[in-house]
Amino acid sequence: AQTVTQSQPEMSVQEAETVTLSCTYDTSESDYYLFWYKQPPSRQMILVIRQEAYKQQNATENRFSVNFQKAAKSFSLKISDSQLGDAAMYFCASTLKGGNTPLVFGKGTRLSVIA
Amino acid sequence: DSGVTQTPKHLITATGQRVTLRCSPRSGDLSVYWYQQSLDQGLQFLIQYYNGEERAKGNILERFSAQQFPDLHSELNLSSLELGDSALYFCASSPRRGWDRGSQETQYFGPGTRLLVL
Repeated sequence: AQTVTQSQPEMSVQEAETVTLSCTYDTSESDYYLFWYKQPPSRQMILVIRQEAYKQQNATENRFSVNFQKAAKSFSLKISDSQLGDAAMYFCASTLKGGNTPLVFGKGTRLSVIA
Repeated sequence: DSGVTQTPKHLITATGQRVTLRCSPRSGDLSVYWYQQSLDQGLQFLIQYYNGEERAKGNILERFSAQQFPDLHSELNLSSLELGDSALYFCASSPRRGWDRGSQETQYFGPGTRLLVL
């Protein structure tokens, strides 16, 4: 069974600064996918970034990037040049290859951005 | 906007009642997933359908049921409602396997239905 752990319930960052959110996971499978989702106050779940386990290169999407350490089963999200609109709950999630398994989520990290 | 629609946005009902939540996946997506988000349990997977057939089942109560119709929209039925069923219910969809490796594993979420049981 997969498990996802986010050990930081809350984080804060100054506007324009960089922040890193931590996530660790556990799986016995070799082919899987990892995701970060953002949930702003509207409660919508927004896909931020996806990482495929077979790729060693870290995924990036504009100001968002990940540090994927497969051996350590670690998947952190770095947000650069933080903006007020980045304030939200961030969920780390994993699923197995094939599209037949659900997402397993961590408990989330609440990010505050200070102007 | 993810392209996944859910109705209604809000639902207030009483204990013992039955409600139906509706989800329309993104155009072309065959898979539909239902998740429940409550304060104490976080995001929990309920059930998945793929092209009309049940594909995976999570911690879904026997009082809950779902189906996916030929036009690929899905409905989640919640009956004999209890106070503890109050939560945000999400539907998500994912594409069929395509040229983009990882496409079928990527889920796009609807805006959710907020259910309050009084």
